[in-house]
Amino acid sequence: DIQLTQSPSSLSASVGGRVTITCRASQNIRDFLNWYQQKPGKAPKLLIFAASSLQSGVPSRFSGSGSGTEFTLTISSLQPEDFATYYCHQRWTFGQGTKVEV
Amino acid sequence: EVQLVQSGGGLVQPGGSLRLSCTASGFTFGSYLMSWVRQAPGRGLEWVANIKQDGSDKYYADFAEGRFTISRDNARNSLYLEMTSLRVEDTAVYYCAKVAMAAAYNWFDPWGQGTLVIVSS
Repeated sequence: DIQLTQSPSSLSASVGGRVTITCRASQNIRDFLNWYQQKPGKAPKLLIFAASSLQSGVPSRFSGSGSGTEFTLTISSLQPEDFATYYCHQRWTFGQGTKVEV
Repeated sequence: EVQLVQSGGGLVQPGGSLRLSCTASGFTFGSYLMSWVRQAPGRGLEWVANIKQDGSDKYYADFAEGRFTISRDNARNSLYLEMTSLRVEDTAVYYCAKVAMAAAYNWFDPWGQGTLVIVSS
């Protein structure tokens, strides 16, 4: 089974700052990688699919890149509403999550 | 608006059973693979089960095999998860999700609001 490992597990950031989250796959998954945002008490929300495609309605400050075994989610200018936990996902496997805190 | 609304869940004793429901609207339910995903308190997301569009094929995570049954009623735009022999470690928020697919790609969107299942004596 493919394993997804996110780093870091948590990070502290400031409004306006740039945030980068990494997801590493245990084997080559081409660009079959998605990213979700989850706020406390809420369902996950799709941000990025197929590694770099922005879901409709998601702000352009979110971007995804990578292929093969290493992927990145970048938030270019962190907004107050972006403090949340982020998960990468491939097929039926999720990363363990990265919590973005103040 | 594409929407999934969940019902069911609650407190159940170890060894007990529970049925979760998920009603879809805003899209052609019968055309999509559907899934259940769960999240234990303070933990990450964990896929539970899938069911194909016509209900002919079902796939389960190892922990769900033999205890959980996923089903659907396309006439009612509804997805179900029947859980039996429940264990304390099945305590989680359970989400239904529509599986969007394009070629070999798949992603979950949207998700239901989630329903809490607590297994405790």
